Amino acid sequence: EPEVTQTPSHQVTQMGQEVILRCVPISNHLYFYWYRQILGQKVEFLVSFYNNEISEKSEIFDDQFSVERPDGSNFTLKIRSTKLEDSAMYFCASSGQTQYEKLFFGSGTQLSVL
Amino acid sequence: AQSVTQLGSHVSVSEGALVLLRCNYSSSVPPYLFWYVQYPNQGLQLLLKYTTGATLVKGINGFEAEFKKSETSFHLTKPSAHMSDAAEYFCAVTYTGGFKTIFGAGTRLFVKA
Repeated sequence: EPEVTQTPSHQVTQMGQEVILRCVPISNHLYFYWYRQILGQKVEFLVSFYNNEISEKSEIFDDQFSVERPDGSNFTLKIRSTKLEDSAMYFCASSGQTQYEKLFFGSGTQLSVL
Repeated sequence: AQSVTQLGSHVSVSEGALVLLRCNYSSSVPPYLFWYVQYPNQGLQLLLKYTTGATLVKGINGFEAEFKKSETSFHLTKPSAHMSDAAEYFCAVTYTGGFKTIFGAGTRLFVKA
């Protein structure tokens, strides 16, 4: 089965630093997402991206966050100035032709902000 | 507000026993309904989904779920638990017109030998 790949698997950063989390969604998918899961808590929606623009975002996704699909294959999440509370597992996901299809998730990037 | 409620953060069953994981959603309009499973250190994988049609949905690994509109529920069952079923299970919904999938808090399933 095709896979969503995420790099790096672990990222450690200092508070206030910028981080970029990278994802390669499944090649013929049209919808792209970022979710996060703080240890022991629920999976939270951050943002969805379709047709080269944000289609929906949550309250968590403030001005410190941005997403990009720079080259038609990669999908990135940037956090401009990390906070301690940004420490979480970040999952990239994609879905095929509609947003109602199943989500294919990557294995996640564990972000630790010190 | 749109929400998904999973009753029981932890469920423990014996191997061979029935598995029942409960999920309720809040909406008068039935959403698209999903169950995902997460094994340690992995991403989420789809177990099954309901969109329209038959209300009893069969998924992978012997799991099934029944959509009950009158109860706004989508409970997950498996007749006979296997040790390999131990994982975290998430109920999720996507509402028509929306782009986000909302996840429940998850239920961790333990299977005893």
